[in-house]
Amino acid sequence: QVQLVESGGGLVKPGGSLRLSCTASGFSLSDFYMTWIRQAPGKGLEWVSYISNRAGTNFYYADSVKGRFTVSRDYAKNSVFLQMDSLRVDDTAVYYCARDWRNWGHDCWGQGTLVTVST
Amino acid sequence: QSVLTQPPSVSAAPGQKVTISCSGSASNIGANFVSWYQQLPGTAPKLLIYDNNQRPSGIPDRFSGSKSGTSATLGITGLQAGDEADYYCATKDSGLTIGLFGGGTKVTVL
Repeated sequence: QVQLVESGGGLVKPGGSLRLSCTASGFSLSDFYMTWIRQAPGKGLEWVSYISNRAGTNFYYADSVKGRFTVSRDYAKNSVFLQMDSLRVDDTAVYYCARDWRNWGHDCWGQGTLVTVST
Repeated sequence: QSVLTQPPSVSAAPGQKVTISCSGSASNIGANFVSWYQQLPGTAPKLLIYDNNQRPSGIPDRFSGSKSGTSATLGITGLQAGDEADYYCATKDSGLTIGLFGGGTKVTVL
């Protein structure tokens, strides 16, 4: 069964850091682009970052997180990660990882992990 | 303010049809495939349409997608109570190499 499970969310103070993990089962993430998407409370979906499959070494970030967030992967663990530094209050959101199955069609999503940035 | 523009809400009676528009530009919708997602309250989004008009396995044919120029449309026929959800369009922007989501449309079944 194809599945993604995120972890690592929590409460952090402004300026702090968190590392989110997304572990895949039922498929090899090396075969797919993987995307991080977030959703602030009561708001819509916002693309955060994506990382290419094993065939490439491309990383892309939304302007709102560029320079603060870093996406990476560990093929041995079949996982992707989102290192979030210099967190701000407006980074508060549920963070989802998703598999880019075809042409930005994301067919598999994790359950989401909540990140709360607050004093 | 999303780059992809969707109406905030649409509504119709059970059994009726609704359409949701998604307006973009030449560098995003005009140059790339569009996908559509359904998000039920408290759950992760679910892929409804990919490659402008293709349905993944398990998605009923009541859901349809189309694209023309710099706009895309999601259609839902035979509206059911279970279709009450938020719907998002998505695509990439070739020029900026970024992902984009529409602002979302809330579908209400009257």
